[in-house]
Amino acid sequence: TQLLEQSPQFLSIQEGENLTVYCNSSSVFSSLQWYRQEPGEGPVLLVTVVTGGEVKKLKRLTFQFGDARKDSSLHITAAQPGDTGLYLCAGDRSGNQFYFGTGTSLTVIP
Amino acid sequence: DTGVSQNPRHKITKRGQNVTFRCDPISEHNRLYWYRQTLGQGPEFLTYFQNEAQLEKSRLLSDRFSAERPKGSFSTLEIQRTEQGDSAMYLCASSLSREKLFFGSGTQLSVL
Repeated sequence: TQLLEQSPQFLSIQEGENLTVYCNSSSVFSSLQWYRQEPGEGPVLLVTVVTGGEVKKLKRLTFQFGDARKDSSLHITAAQPGDTGLYLCAGDRSGNQFYFGTGTSLTVIP
Repeated sequence: DTGVSQNPRHKITKRGQNVTFRCDPISEHNRLYWYRQTLGQGPEFLTYFQNEAQLEKSRLLSDRFSAERPKGSFSTLEIQRTEQGDSAMYLCASSLSREKLFFGSGTQLSVL
């Protein structure tokens, strides 16, 4: 069973649309990370959120960590074809491993 | 700093054969992780090294899997008597701090 569930699993949208990806768990995390992965490559870190309620912005991407540090969301404004990829959240429970979510595969159609 | 390097990028083997993968982390990174990822899924943790010490192993890591990091630099992951269910992307990541992992491009294993 996955500790982190992401929704939706697949998302196909037109260029210029907005979207939100969710990452949910019943467990508390000391920090949570978001990665983007392209086919045949390793995940690339986008952001780390640490404080409950924290909001971070990276150009058109907005990341939020839930107040209880159990969930997170990623919002993309005016999606572009270059945003296409697999988006992964990963949680740190202060152990030696990061728990990855199930992933959201995003396709942005020109 | 050339990033995390993994070799080979692809490996095709027959069931029952042994395979070994290599990971060269970013030079000053003392933390090294191995993950396994199947198509359409998120990476699953396999094992973690701090310097040369293997500090944690997943229950997913059966006795056919072994990992080493002999001098606290590069690491190897060996799978003995491969099975078709071992087919996956094997990812290595390194870091200095807990908050930022740098992943390699992975080794794609296909067991026929």
